[in-house]
Amino acid sequence: EAGVAQSPRYKIIEKRQSVAFWCNPISGHATLYWYQQILGQGPKLLIQFQNNGVVDDSQLPKDRFSAERLKGVDSTLKIQPAKLEDSAVYLCASSSGLAGGNRWETQYFGPGTRLLVL
Amino acid sequence: GEDVEQSLFLSVREGDSSVINCTYTDSSSTYLYWYKQEPGAGLQLLTYIFSNMDMKQDQRLTVLLNKKDKHLSLRIADTQTGDSAIYFCAERGGATNKLIFGTGTLLAVQP
Repeated sequence: EAGVAQSPRYKIIEKRQSVAFWCNPISGHATLYWYQQILGQGPKLLIQFQNNGVVDDSQLPKDRFSAERLKGVDSTLKIQPAKLEDSAVYLCASSSGLAGGNRWETQYFGPGTRLLVL
Repeated sequence: GEDVEQSLFLSVREGDSSVINCTYTDSSSTYLYWYKQEPGAGLQLLTYIFSNMDMKQDQRLTVLLNKKDKHLSLRIADTQTGDSAIYFCAERGGATNKLIFGTGTLLAVQP
């Protein structure tokens, strides 16, 4: 079974530029998550999708971050314009989505995209 | 609010046991997890424990949960150099039902 795929693996941009990350979840997984992991910290959830609908985007800085999952499979996360403090690893994860919100459900993580904003 | 704390660093010798500790604040957490992150890699789920359990063993891993003190620990028996990584505890449940991660503990295993 293929894991969660992310691209690019690394990206270096200047502040105020735009950047987009792509995620392909495990086949059949209904739930997709984007996390931001700043150096020295644990991952922080940015947005959670159930199929193509948003479940939780309470910690997404909506003035500059956007995410979509139009067909309920792949997802893109965009930052426009980027700030220095956006330098981080952006992790995508997926889970089956079959268990709903009240039971344990494993989240499988991709390798992440490392973003450096200069 | 939800907050998860861990010590930053642990160094052990190969063959010894490692104990990584975690404290959390949300008493309504339903599941608690341990993830491993190797350099340049994503997070790998190691084990989890449901909040009505106080211990779970899985091969070299033992998870202990003290719900009264909101304290979680991960014991790795016979620690190997391949166990060197950052270990994150995470809680799930409560009002948001999303994963809240700790800051991570860097485990360094000396040969």
